[in-house]
Amino acid sequence: DAKTTQPNSMESNEEEPVHLPCNHSTISGTDYIHWYRQLPSQGPEYVIHGLTSNVNNRMASLAIAEDRKSSTLILHRATLRDAAVYYCILRDDFGNEKLTFGTGTRLTIIP
Amino acid sequence: DAGVTQSPTHLIKTRGQQVTLRCSPKSGHDTVSWYQQALGQGPQFIFQYYEEEERQRGNFPDRFSGHQFPNYSSELNVNALLLGDSALYLCASSFISVIDTQYFGPGTRLTVL
Repeated sequence: DAKTTQPNSMESNEEEPVHLPCNHSTISGTDYIHWYRQLPSQGPEYVIHGLTSNVNNRMASLAIAEDRKSSTLILHRATLRDAAVYYCILRDDFGNEKLTFGTGTRLTIIP
Repeated sequence: DAGVTQSPTHLIKTRGQQVTLRCSPKSGHDTVSWYQQALGQGPQFIFQYYEEEERQRGNFPDRFSGHQFPNYSSELNVNALLLGDSALYLCASSFISVIDTQYFGPGTRLTVL
């Protein structure tokens, strides 16, 4: 499985944008970039995913580098409820269903 | 629409015992995956079930086994429990035929004494 590298922790002020980076230099052509987050005492929840183009949904935006070797999850206006561990995961969506989690980035939101 | 449910919420066992954890997938989902999450770590894939058969398996010993029922619900069984099996066990469901996300339950916290 291709590996991702994320900072262990980040802090951000409430109501400000947050940019969570992820490096994946060994990504293959069929790997999708998925982001999940895990709030305290809960199971992981899906945030967003993409292949090549930038993606937006109601929770976040995903910016993918042109060479696909890195990506950035953007929370446009962080709230206290966004405090969680964020996982960047590569998954070959063509038949391979398992998710390979790393240790993720622990995001702390400062009121 | 009920999401993924797991039971029990918490469980305490002693070394050498056996345990069964249960999972009901999100309505309409046909695939169930199980993950183990040790404290401070990301979840690790155990195995996945589809059509009542194990479809994929991670790097876990044979002490870990599972089952999927015709209604798509699933069980995870762990035999000969070790202290190192203490963890949060997560179940996730999805559709097999759709490039889809996985929906996770809240997990079962297993403590082995």
